[in-house]
Amino acid sequence: DAKTTQPPSMDCAEGRAANLPCNHSTISGNEYVYWYRQIHSQGPQYIIHGLKNNETNEMASLIITEDRKSSTLILPHATLRDTAVYYCIVRVYNNNDMRFGAGTRLTVKP
Amino acid sequence: DADVTQTPRNRITKTGKRIMLECSQTKGHDRMYWYRQDPGLGLQLIYYSFDVKDINKGEISDGYSVSRQAQAKFSLSLESAIPNQTALYFCATRGPNDEQYFGPGTRLTVT
Repeated sequence: DAKTTQPPSMDCAEGRAANLPCNHSTISGNEYVYWYRQIHSQGPQYIIHGLKNNETNEMASLIITEDRKSSTLILPHATLRDTAVYYCIVRVYNNNDMRFGAGTRLTVKP
Repeated sequence: DADVTQTPRNRITKTGKRIMLECSQTKGHDRMYWYRQDPGLGLQLIYYSFDVKDINKGEISDGYSVSRQAQAKFSLSLESAIPNQTALYFCATRGPNDEQYFGPGTRLTVT
C-alpha cells in the first residue's frame, strides 16, 4: 500500500471549513484513498473514500487531484465535536491490510 | 444499541495470565478484524477473519490467538500476557462498501 503524509496537527475555527491535506505521491492506479477519524480514544469512524473522482457524503467531501498524488478532506462547517485525529489511508479496494499512520490532530476552536 | 460491542471495556491483568477479549456484532458482516493501538500511534492489524472457517494473521499476530465462534463473534486471546501488550484493542467489521465499523475498544493493562 502507498505511504501517506499528513501534517501532525491543524486548528480550525468553529463554523469554518476544515481542509485536511494528504500526500500520497506513490499511489498506484488501483488504490483508493480512505479517511477515518478517531475522537479521543474511541473506535475509529469511517468518513469517506474515493478512487479519482471527488466524493461527497453527509459528513464530508473528498477532493482528489487529477494526478491522484494528493487529496483533501473537507469538513464544510466544523463543530467542536469534529475535534479528532484524522487518518488518510491509501490501499487497494477490499484489501484486508489497512495501515493507520499517525494522522492529523484537528482541533476545532470556539 | 451499538453495532459492534467489546467486552470488557477495561481490564488489568498480571504478567503470565491468560486473557480473552470478546467482540460481537449485529451488522451481519462476514469480515471481522482485531487491531491494537499504542499511545500516540496508529492501529496495527493483529488478526482478521472472512468467516468462521477462515482466520488470517495480520502484521503483529505473535503472542495472540483468535477464535471465530460464529459470524457475529470474534474473540482475541493473549495466552500469556506480557507488559508490552498493554494497549487499546479494537474490533471491527467490514461493510459492503469496504468501510470498517469499529467497536468502542478495550483498554488492557498488563502489570
